[in-house]
Amino acid sequence: DAGVIQSPRHEVTEMGQEVTLRCKPISGHDYLFWYRQTMMRGLELLIYFNNNVPIDDSGMPEDRFSAKMPNASFSTLKIQPSEPRDSAVYFCASSLIPSETQYFGPGTRLLVL
Amino acid sequence: KQEVTQIPAALSVPEGENLVLNCSFTDSAIYNLQWFRQDPGKGLTSLLLIQSSQREQTSGRLNASLDKSSGRSTLYIAASQPGDSATYLCAVSRGGNKLVFGAGTILRVKS
Repeated sequence: DAGVIQSPRHEVTEMGQEVTLRCKPISGHDYLFWYRQTMMRGLELLIYFNNNVPIDDSGMPEDRFSAKMPNASFSTLKIQPSEPRDSAVYFCASSLIPSETQYFGPGTRLLVL
Repeated sequence: KQEVTQIPAALSVPEGENLVLNCSFTDSAIYNLQWFRQDPGKGLTSLLLIQSSQREQTSGRLNASLDKSSGRSTLYIAASQPGDSATYLCAVSRGGNKLVFGAGTILRVKS
């Protein structure tokens, strides 16, 4: 298996633009997670899905952030409009069952100018 | 609110040394604890997962212990190698899947 796949790996955009991050989880994994990592706040869970259904989005910072999982093999995290403080590395992870290891993708490094 | 603290923030050791990384958490009602490794510019790789009912887990030169009552875990690395240089993150889960991460320990092993 190729592992968790994220695209793009790097994104540079201007303030106010829409940004869409993409994730393909490991096949057969029922849980998908979106995290954000910054120097100031470390690694934070934004939202997670179970069987394509959002279960907990309490970590989503504002209404500017939205996430979808239209099918078992694809998820998006969208920021609209983007702001400089959204600059961070965004990770997607997946797991088979709740109590077991989460497998992380390589991350998307986002810079909002 | 669960808080996870890792000490030290950074550590530099000569090759071959045994070392210990520390993790503490404020709420002992955890489901499991995981240690991850993160290389620069890359994602996280799971090293060890300890269920709340377990005391320790071992994988190769790595040994992780868990003392739930005191809210502590340690990651022991034996005979350190330059390839062990990375950031090591501790994360705890309280039921379900919500991991709370520490800030990490940056490890440098000098050859």
